[in-house]
Amino acid sequence: DTAVSQTPKYLVTQMGNDKSIKCEQNLGHDTMYWYKQDSKKFLKIMFSYNNKELIINETVPNRFSPKSPDKAHLNLHINSLELGDSAVYFCASSQGPSAGGLSTGELFFGEGSRLTVL
Amino acid sequence: SQQGEEDPQALSIQEGENATMNCSYKTSINNLQWYRQNSGRGLVHLILIRSNEREKHSGRLRVTLDTSKKSSSLLITASRAADTASYFCATDAGGSTLTFGKGTMLLVSP
Repeated sequence: DTAVSQTPKYLVTQMGNDKSIKCEQNLGHDTMYWYKQDSKKFLKIMFSYNNKELIINETVPNRFSPKSPDKAHLNLHINSLELGDSAVYFCASSQGPSAGGLSTGELFFGEGSRLTVL
Repeated sequence: SQQGEEDPQALSIQEGENATMNCSYKTSINNLQWYRQNSGRGLVHLILIRSNEREKHSGRLRVTLDTSKKSSSLLITASRAADTASYFCATDAGGSTLTFGKGTMLLVSP
């Protein structure tokens, strides 16, 4: 049983198009994330949702819009794709800050979605 | 902004040797975690060490944390070809997420 699954695994598209990546976790976690990994393998947080509410929105262009219909799903929609959007996008989940605390525990990652913009 | 910096960027060793990777960070933390990423795959959690801990073991992994120097090290003993991967440290600085370093690429040759 896959814990964090994201689709599609590969996405090749033209500049200017709109695309979506879907993510689902079956771990019962409260918090979900989107990370972007560039060609040098640097991982950068984009968004974080806790129980369907946005809690982190890093300096990401407005063309990126996350949507969390329920706490098990966090989708990423990208408008007007640009060459610089080419990267691997990872969805992750965690139990979130522990009860009464502020610590972030172990993250569970999906296998990644490799986006190539031509 | 980037929190962790791994050192070295790349490490090549023979099977059976030990591999040591270091991580330095800038701000105070709640915990520090190490992850492994095989080529073309997602990251997998290896070990978490809290700010009040100095050393932790898990199988062939040994992690140390020195909060006064803001640094951590990951030691993999008796390495195997299957340990070939990129290794990342990630810090929890209380911002409701983890901040990752750039990673160390480890190559273990048979």
